[in-house]
This record gives sequence, C-alpha cells and structure tokens, in this order.
Amino acid sequence: DAGVIQSPRHEVTEMGQEVTLRCKPISGHDYLFWYRQTMMRGLELLIYFNNNVPIDDSGMPEDRFSAKMPNASFSTLKIQPSEPRDSAVYFCASSFNGAGAQYFGPGTRLTVL
Amino acid sequence: QKEVEQNSGPLSVPEGAIASLNCTYSDRGSQSFFWYRQYSGKSPELIMSIYSNGDKEDGRFTAQLNKASQYVSLLIRDSQPSDSATYHCAVIDPGAGSYQLTFGKGTKLSVIP
Repeated sequence: DAGVIQSPRHEVTEMGQEVTLRCKPISGHDYLFWYRQTMMRGLELLIYFNNNVPIDDSGMPEDRFSAKMPNASFSTLKIQPSEPRDSAVYFCASSFNGAGAQYFGPGTRLTVL
Repeated sequence: QKEVEQNSGPLSVPEGAIASLNCTYSDRGSQSFFWYRQYSGKSPELIMSIYSNGDKEDGRFTAQLNKASQYVSLLIRDSQPSDSATYHCAVIDPGAGSYQLTFGKGTKLSVIP
C-alpha cells in the first residue's frame, strides 16, 4: 500500500497568491482529514470528508480556505489569497472508519512570503 | 473546548530504560485513544491505538487507558536512541458530532546512549 500521498511536499509563494495542496487517501478509506501544524497551535483539524462529502469544516480559518473532494481518491485544499500567517505544515490523513486510526501523509510545508 | 494535556518535556531517559509518557483528556465521552510518534520534519506515525480500559501491548510499547480517571499512558521498554521523537496523545469523541482527532501538544523524548 502506498499510503497517503500529498503534493507538493514544499511550496513557497508570495502573499496574495493562490495555493493548492493535493491529497490521495489510502484506497478503501472512506474518511479524509486535513490538518495544519504550527509551533504555536500544534496539530489542528481544518476539515474532514466522509464518502467525499464535507462533514466538519469548523476548523477552516476563514473564507480564504476551501476544500473539495471530487472523488474517492483525490482532495484539494485551496488558499486564496494566501497570507504569511498561513505558513505551516499541512497534513492529509485518511481512515477506514471515523472512530478508528488515522494515517497521515508526508505533509506539505507551505511558506508564504 | 476539548483538551488533551501532556507534559511537553523534554523527557530524557538512558538507553535501555523504560520511558513513561502520560496524557489526560477533558471529554468524558472520548472513545478512541491513540499515540503518534513524530520525528522532526516528518509526519505523525501511529504507534498504538486503544479503545477499552486496561493495558494493550505491542512489542516494546504498552498503552494504558483509565477512562474513570481520563488518563492515557504509553510505556516504552528498552528505550533506544531511535525512539527519540515527539509523542502525541490523541483522542476522538464521536459524541461531539465529529471524528476529529484532538491532539496534545506532544512530549519530546530523548533517549541518551
């Protein structure tokens, strides 16, 4: 099994630019989660999907953030426009069932200048 | 506000000793409990999951859960320098209407050769 796949692994952009992060969950996993990790706030859930449907987006910081899951094997997290305070590591995770273990991808390190 | 509390450390133990990591959580309805290991610059890696009171052993790792005390611990026997990492306790409370993982800030473990 390839595990959760994320791209890009690193992204450096300038303030105001659009950023798109991508994730492919483990095949057969019905739940997909997006987390953000910073030194100050630790790991925080942004949004999660069940069977491609967004279930809990209470962690999405503001309207600049949006996430989609057009099919069972692909999800995107978009930031438009990006700001320096969005600099963080963004992780995607997937699980077979909601209350079970979540498996994390390698993450995308985002730097907004 | 859901909270998961851990001692941030650093916790230093000599090679071959037992490392003991502790965690308390605020939501009495929490049902799923996990320990993740995170090396610097890497993603969280699941090492143990536990769902019922008592002990669960897997190789050198033992997770302990006491729901009455809202307490979870992780013991690492015969600690090795390769165990040096940050260990996150994480819980899921599905009764809160979400399958999000609530993470502690992590305990940094250093195993001294």
